[in-house]
Amino acid sequence: TQLLEQSPQFLSIQEGENLTVYCNSSSVFSSLQWYRQEPGEGPVLLVTVVTGGEVKKLKRLTFQFGDARKDSSLHITAAQPGDTGLYLCAGDYKLSFGAGTTVTVRA
Amino acid sequence: GAGVSQSPSNKVTEKGKDVELRCDPISGHTALYWYRQSLGQGLEFLIYFQGNSAPDKSGLPSDRFSAERTGGSVSTLTIQRTQQEDSAVYLCASSLLAGVRKTQYFGPGTRLLVL
Repeated sequence: TQLLEQSPQFLSIQEGENLTVYCNSSSVFSSLQWYRQEPGEGPVLLVTVVTGGEVKKLKRLTFQFGDARKDSSLHITAAQPGDTGLYLCAGDYKLSFGAGTTVTVRA
Repeated sequence: GAGVSQSPSNKVTEKGKDVELRCDPISGHTALYWYRQSLGQGLEFLIYFQGNSAPDKSGLPSDRFSAERTGGSVSTLTIQRTQQEDSAVYLCASSLLAGVRKTQYFGPGTRLLVL
């Protein structure tokens, strides 16, 4: 049983399209982190959100933390092939990880 | 190198054998974490070390799993009497300080296959 549920599990889109990945939990987290992992490598931190309702932007990526701090979303605008990877959300110091969303952006 | 390194990168072993996985954290990082990543399961926390404090072993799945961190630097994860369900990628991460807001830097992982 995972504390964090991510959806969808897989997402394949055309270059230039937008996408949203969701991370949901019944538990409250003091903060939540998003990572991206490429094949054969470890996850790399993208962002940490700590305040309910917080929105952070990282170039074409927009991260939002739910008001109740139980959920988060990652939105990518005008996706590029370089955005392809496994996106993971994680909460708290032991980093309870979701199973991840595999994103494929086709050229 | 400047990042977290792990060895071996791949390990194939027979059921029942013991294996040792090594992690070299970033120099100066006081916190070190071990995770296991199975296909479709995300990352599972195993154990974490912070400075000289007793390690948090709450994530270890069985007493066949153990880990040490010598001199506050290099860590070894040992799996005794390996089982096929131990097959996974074992990831190590380190951070400058412990805590939920501290960036964890991950190594490339060790891919373990138990036949």
